[in-house]
Amino acid sequence: SQELEQSPQSLIVQEGKNLTINCTSSKTLYGLYWYKQKYGEGLIFLMMLQKGGEEKSHEKITAKLDEKKQQSSLHITASQPSHAGIYLCGAAGSQGNLIFGKGTKLSVKP
Amino acid sequence: GAGVSQTPSNKVTEKGKYVELRCDPISGHTALYWYRQSLGQGPEFLIYFQGTGAADDSGLPNDRFFAVRPEGSVSTLKIQRTERGDSAVYLCASSLYRTPQETQYFGPGTRLLVL
Repeated sequence: SQELEQSPQSLIVQEGKNLTINCTSSKTLYGLYWYKQKYGEGLIFLMMLQKGGEEKSHEKITAKLDEKKQQSSLHITASQPSHAGIYLCGAAGSQGNLIFGKGTKLSVKP
Repeated sequence: GAGVSQTPSNKVTEKGKYVELRCDPISGHTALYWYRQSLGQGPEFLIYFQGTGAADDSGLPNDRFFAVRPEGSVSTLKIQRTERGDSAVYLCASSLYRTPQETQYFGPGTRLLVL
């Protein structure tokens, strides 16, 4: 079965700093989703990547899927306190359900 | 438009009791998913509906768990004889169609605590 490993597990950065979160799959990815979760809230959709080498950006967040489609990275530029939360990567399973990593907890110190 | 809604937002029950968790998907979405998230873990797939039928229930942990979607819209997850290990956040998601390329939109979840 497919497994996703996220690193780091947790991250504390100073406001204004850049950061990167990684997601590595045990199998080829046919769709990779990034979500953000805050306590008391559900998962907020950020981006979906499908093609090897694909890169998408939304505001200060950029996600990439490597050429071999087994690893994705999420990069935040000039972090803000509003970026704090848990970032989850999810791989699309054959039935459409998502298989998630354990998440990366991001804290941004003002 | 309205997103996915779930009720109740929190549920505290005693071991052995029966609980029902409700999910209202985004209007027009044919696919509906239930996930369970334990503390410090990512969500884990439970069951998926395409329309009214449960297309894949391979993630349900045992026969105490059951879900229905009688009219192809609202879904109810039912847990019988609850155990302390059932304590978790239960998340519902919906998508327009059932394909890996369709984005799943999640509700806020129901936090279940079994005492």
